[in-house]
Amino acid sequence: DSGVTQTPKHLITATGQRVTLRCSPRSGDLSVYWYQQSLDQGLQFLIQYYNGEERAKGNILERFSAQQFPDLHSELNLSSLELGDSALYFCASSVGATGANVLTFGAGSRLTVL
Amino acid sequence: TQLLEQSPQFLSIQEGENLTVYCNSSSVFSSLQWYRQEPGEGPVLLVTVVTGGEVKKLKRLTFQFGDARKDSSLHITAAQPGDTGLYLCAGAGVISSGSARQLTFGSGTQLTVLP
Repeated sequence: DSGVTQTPKHLITATGQRVTLRCSPRSGDLSVYWYQQSLDQGLQFLIQYYNGEERAKGNILERFSAQQFPDLHSELNLSSLELGDSALYFCASSVGATGANVLTFGAGSRLTVL
Repeated sequence: TQLLEQSPQFLSIQEGENLTVYCNSSSVFSSLQWYRQEPGEGPVLLVTVVTGGEVKKLKRLTFQFGDARKDSSLHITAAQPGDTGLYLCAGAGVISSGSARQLTFGSGTQLTVLP
């Protein structure tokens, strides 16, 4: 157990729908990162939050949004889902704010869009 | 285009064999991390190398950071089935940008060690 908790572990939905993925960081970590992992694109950085504020943005689509709450948990919202959004979504956390920190990953949420 | 290229993409070997995985880039990194990911799990950090030419050993795993900090290698001696997994390198802080950047992950090397 890495200390980073992600729910749900598996999610199956249809095109056009909206889903929310949830992440609780490791105790003491202030940064939360979201990554998308697919077979053809590898592990792609989506977005980072540090202590409630957006810190860095990567290849995140406009249909996707995220936030970090005062208790430091984070949610990634995926809307108007397309078949190509099917992937593993990982949350990671770190103590510091810089993107070069060592990351602790959760077990991921596997999203299947039918 | 991947900033970090890993090779080989797939590697299947017998228990007891040695292997080397490579991570190459045209960019300079301030540090480089290696992770291992097992099925159904997230990546887990193995090591961080920060100095050009640095060599770090973790039991049967030897990690090397290139002198120019553009490449790295992971060598496994006497591989065991428990070494099976996806090995990912991740570069931190592209120096030429003049600012801190997010970790950039390589495409990974899927290693299978057969008993």
